[in-house]
Amino acid sequence: YVLTQPPSVSVAPGKTATMTCEGSDEGGKSFQWYQQKPGQAPMLVIYYDSDRPSGIPERFSGSKSGKTATLTISTVEAGDEADYYCQVWDSGTYQDVVFGGGTRLTVL
Amino acid sequence: EVRLLESGGGLVQPGGSLRLSCAASGFTFSNYAMTWVRQAPGKGLQWVSVITGRGGKAYYADSVKGRFTISRDNSKNTLYLQMNSLRADDTAVYYCAKHDSINYFYVLDHWGQGALVAVSS
Repeated sequence: YVLTQPPSVSVAPGKTATMTCEGSDEGGKSFQWYQQKPGQAPMLVIYYDSDRPSGIPERFSGSKSGKTATLTISTVEAGDEADYYCQVWDSGTYQDVVFGGGTRLTVL
Repeated sequence: EVRLLESGGGLVQPGGSLRLSCAASGFTFSNYAMTWVRQAPGKGLQWVSVITGRGGKAYYADSVKGRFTISRDNSKNTLYLQMNSLRADDTAVYYCAKHDSINYFYVLDHWGQGALVAVSS
């Protein structure tokens, strides 16, 4: 199972950033999103397609349509600049945890 | 507060072995599956291995199958990754991460700070 993300997204402060994650089949999988800032460990920001962990601002939202998930960050701040990775569990024969290649968000 | 602390990283020669540990606290360790994820320098996240909460089942990425072994000691709240026959392309920061379920591997809700493994002669 393969997850495809655009390598980069750029957005001005205060605007809305959207980044996509396309799965290789329709499979009905749940998507998670992780934020990773330079030199830091990844952090969960969206799980089960659209749920937010406690402590994650409401500016972060997730959605899914078919085999594509989308992470939306509204009113982008300089502190949101990071790499964002999507992830699914391919619960077939091999039980793989699969990550997308990541999208670097640049705040202009 | 959930805490995950990796240790055991370092420099090793090609063909050598290393064992990583991940000490967990702040939650009932045996109730959650655990995963190892690695990140080569300047690259993205790559899943390595997962183990169920009771330790009965483990799965591996193709790139490490037959060389790495994941295990856990629930009495010590510690996760392990035994790495044998190490290669240069195993060089990475290795993160341990906690799933949100004992037997399902959907979500990684907490991550450690990582341990650097460098394979070089």
